[in-house]
Amino acid sequence: GDSVTQTEGPVTVSESESLIINCTYSATSIAYPNLFWYVRYPGEGLQLLLKVITAGQKGSSRGFEATYNKETTSFHLQKASVQESDSAVYYCALDNYAQGLTFGLGTRVSVFP
Amino acid sequence: DPKIIQKPKYLVAVTGSEKILICEQYLGHNAMYWYRQSAKKPLEFMFSYSYQKLMDNQTASSRFQPQSSKKNHLDLQITALKPDDSATYFCASSHLTGAEQFFGPGTRLTVL
Repeated sequence: GDSVTQTEGPVTVSESESLIINCTYSATSIAYPNLFWYVRYPGEGLQLLLKVITAGQKGSSRGFEATYNKETTSFHLQKASVQESDSAVYYCALDNYAQGLTFGLGTRVSVFP
Repeated sequence: DPKIIQKPKYLVAVTGSEKILICEQYLGHNAMYWYRQSAKKPLEFMFSYSYQKLMDNQTASSRFQPQSSKKNHLDLQITALKPDDSATYFCASSHLTGAEQFFGPGTRLTVL
């Protein structure tokens, strides 16, 4: 079946430092799945951060970026300078055009001032 | 205003009992889903419905039964509860199947 592997947390980073959360995927049912990053801020529900549906393209939102790399089957999430408000749990996910999303385990990020 | 409502937020049940988890969405979506997240495990897709019809079932156990009384409702009935059923259950919806999914806040179920 499909699977998603991402950086194991927790990840601790200081404000204004860079952040990268690795995500690799394996999609057995389709060559080019849709890829997503979801985020859950403390006390809030899961929400979409960004998505990319075309291999080779980059998605961005709230200062975060992720590039769909079909050669390495990766979709790493990066931000050049994090803020305390970026403290959250980040989930990488794929959609193989079936009904449900396949998620990674989630990476808890804590940003300290 | 919350667009996807899940009730209750927390639920404690005894082994062998039955519970219903409620989900209502006010986004005008036609597809709804249930996911489960157990401790140390990723969110796991369970069911999808489109226009109140079951589209996909990835849950092996018949103890889990979705119920759709209205287009914007998809409740989850769980019978003969076991401690392993303890998890947070998330409802989601999308305009159509395959479109961006929006998630509810979850119901945390603990089975003693």
